Amino acid sequence: GQQLNQSPQSMFIQEGEDVSMNCTSSSIFNTWLWYKQDPGEGPVLLIALYKAGELTSNGRLTAQFGITRKDSFLNISASIPSDVGIYFCAGYDTGTASKLTFGTGTRLQVTL
Amino acid sequence: GAGVSQSPSNKVTEKGKDVELRCDPISGHTALYWYRQSLGQGLEFLIYFQGNSAPDKSGLPSDRFSAERTGGSVSTLTIQRTQQEDSAVYLCASSSPPSTDTQYFGPGTRLTVL
Repeated sequence: GQQLNQSPQSMFIQEGEDVSMNCTSSSIFNTWLWYKQDPGEGPVLLIALYKAGELTSNGRLTAQFGITRKDSFLNISASIPSDVGIYFCAGYDTGTASKLTFGTGTRLQVTL
Repeated sequence: GAGVSQSPSNKVTEKGKDVELRCDPISGHTALYWYRQSLGQGLEFLIYFQGNSAPDKSGLPSDRFSAERTGGSVSTLTIQRTQQEDSAVYLCASSSPPSTDTQYFGPGTRLTVL
């Protein structure tokens, strides 16, 4: 099935640094979502974006819905050890009426 | 309130055996989804339920896979004659209109086929 291209695949950063990851698609999506998955857990929703150009913050997280509706980015400011995990973007197209299409994931590891 | 729950959390089975995986969605959520996540990969859509009906089964990889939902609540994913390539984490999610795009996930069932 289709997957969104997400980059980087993995990253090591130092505690306190800012992080940026992005997601691109060849298809238009009407909703972009960002999830975080910890080991042995299901993905947890972080931010949902509903309008092209929308910029939304949730604490230290900021995400934007690209103007073309084919991309999105997620920024994490002042990273802390509990930010470790895998971050997934997901796109939702009302035309499919059901499933989310997930990105390939960005594995974030923080060094102290 | 309770989130999405799945059972068992881990299942080890022998090739050729049938397995059943269970999902209890968030109470009141009418939409239920099954996804599969292979090691180090993203999530692959399997099937979607609205109420007890499945308008989208497009992700089921073969006819060995089936799912049902009863009473608009619990869902069971059945894999017959399991193969080693079926080994993965099977995740269930639920959502409720109007926010059908905001899906809440369970912890998953890790299936290992020997």
